[in-house]
Amino acid sequence: EVQLVESGGDLVQPGGSLRLSCATSGFTFSDYGMNWVRQAPGEGPEWLSHISSGGSPIYYADSVEGRFTISRDNAKKSVYLQMNSLRAEDTAVYYCVSPLIIATKTVHWGQGTLVTVSS
Amino acid sequence: EIVMTQSPATLSVSPGERATLSCRASQSIGNTLAWYQQKPGQAPSLLIYGASTRATGIPARFSGSGSGTEFTLTISSLQSEDFAVYYCQQYNDWPRTFGRGTKVEIK
Repeated sequence: EVQLVESGGDLVQPGGSLRLSCATSGFTFSDYGMNWVRQAPGEGPEWLSHISSGGSPIYYADSVEGRFTISRDNAKKSVYLQMNSLRAEDTAVYYCVSPLIIATKTVHWGQGTLVTVSS
Repeated sequence: EIVMTQSPATLSVSPGERATLSCRASQSIGNTLAWYQQKPGQAPSLLIYGASTRATGIPARFSGSGSGTEFTLTISSLQSEDFAVYYCQQYNDWPRTFGRGTKVEIK
């Protein structure tokens, strides 16, 4: 069974930093690129970043380019999102999302982790 | 950036009726389109990829069509569990982009 488990969400002050983690299991992690997607309260999903299976290339949404950094550790089957210079508008549930997994023929989402940026 | 426009924003449908949701891309994306369903308090769940291929476990009452810039998600006979918000997403180019969603509500 494919599982993606995010952690690291918290309440943080504007300008602060946070590191999100996503631990995966149930598929060959090193074969797949991975994504981070967020969803602000009452809004639709917003794709944030992608990291390829080997670590590059990497892509970012304009809204987070220069502030967020995606990384991965294939040995730990984990992907990370370092978030700096956080703003109130970054408040959202952050999801780790797989691409279409060949074995399961679907895309897998984690349960999400809540990031709240507020003073 | 490719802009995805969904219509209508809200669709009121009676159980057992057909629902037709539209998604338009601001430029051609071939068939690199996915549809997601989201229920309150849950992560989105993949319904359709490649514009028309159902994901694992998705009932046959869900069908997708279209290519280029115009796409449609059809739910042939709405069941109670289908009342939810539906999003389209293109994966032709970076950044990946979602539509703003269509809420399917009970009439």
